[in-house]
Amino acid sequence: QTVVTQEPSLTVSPGGTVTLTCASSTGPVTSGYYPNWFQQRPGQAPRALIYSTINKHSWTPARFSGSLLGGKAALTLSGVQPEDEAEYYCLLYYGGAVVFGGGTKLTVL
Amino acid sequence: QLQLQESGPGLVKPSETLSLTCTVSGGSISSGSYDWGWIRQPPGKGLEWIGSIYYSGSTHYNPSLKSRVTISLDTSKNQFSLRLTSVTAADTAVYYCARWVHGNFGFDYWGQGTLVTVSS
Repeated sequence: QTVVTQEPSLTVSPGGTVTLTCASSTGPVTSGYYPNWFQQRPGQAPRALIYSTINKHSWTPARFSGSLLGGKAALTLSGVQPEDEAEYYCLLYYGGAVVFGGGTKLTVL
Repeated sequence: QLQLQESGPGLVKPSETLSLTCTVSGGSISSGSYDWGWIRQPPGKGLEWIGSIYYSGSTHYNPSLKSRVTISLDTSKNQFSLRLTSVTAADTAVYYCARWVHGNFGFDYWGQGTLVTVSS
């Protein structure tokens, strides 16, 4: 059973920068896993932010960026806003199968 | 603007079959550029991919649910459906439908979700 691991929680100050990561139990995450990132606010459906490691959707704010970092997929928020407080999920693609990470609760404080 | 809307019973009895439909508007499910997927989220927990279907009818399922899941398409109604058999309380969740973009290798548009409770 493949497991995708994220930090359970992170805290960042308004205006600050924070990086969330996404690791695979099968080994280093590469671009071939096409990492995706989603934001979910309480009571709402997930909203897609990043696909295929670094690509933004038309609606994704510029302060969000995706990358690979130390064998993991990463989501960096620069100039964090209060409305960025949410749960963030990564997704990795395993050749037809999809696995979500457990989510990171981001607190802006 | 593409929209997806889940529909179906909000309450299912244990051991019975959960059936949900996702209606797609603003785009065709017959496009070869997309898969159509189901994802669920138990209360207070994370997201779990259930499975996806291509317009040709080919499917991919989560191995942990594969024996109980069927996803199908109705192109005449621009809908796709989920059937989950032999449900238990562990299947209580918000169920989402979403579009998977082949070129992007990712989900982009999601439905608002529908809560299904398994209880007698």
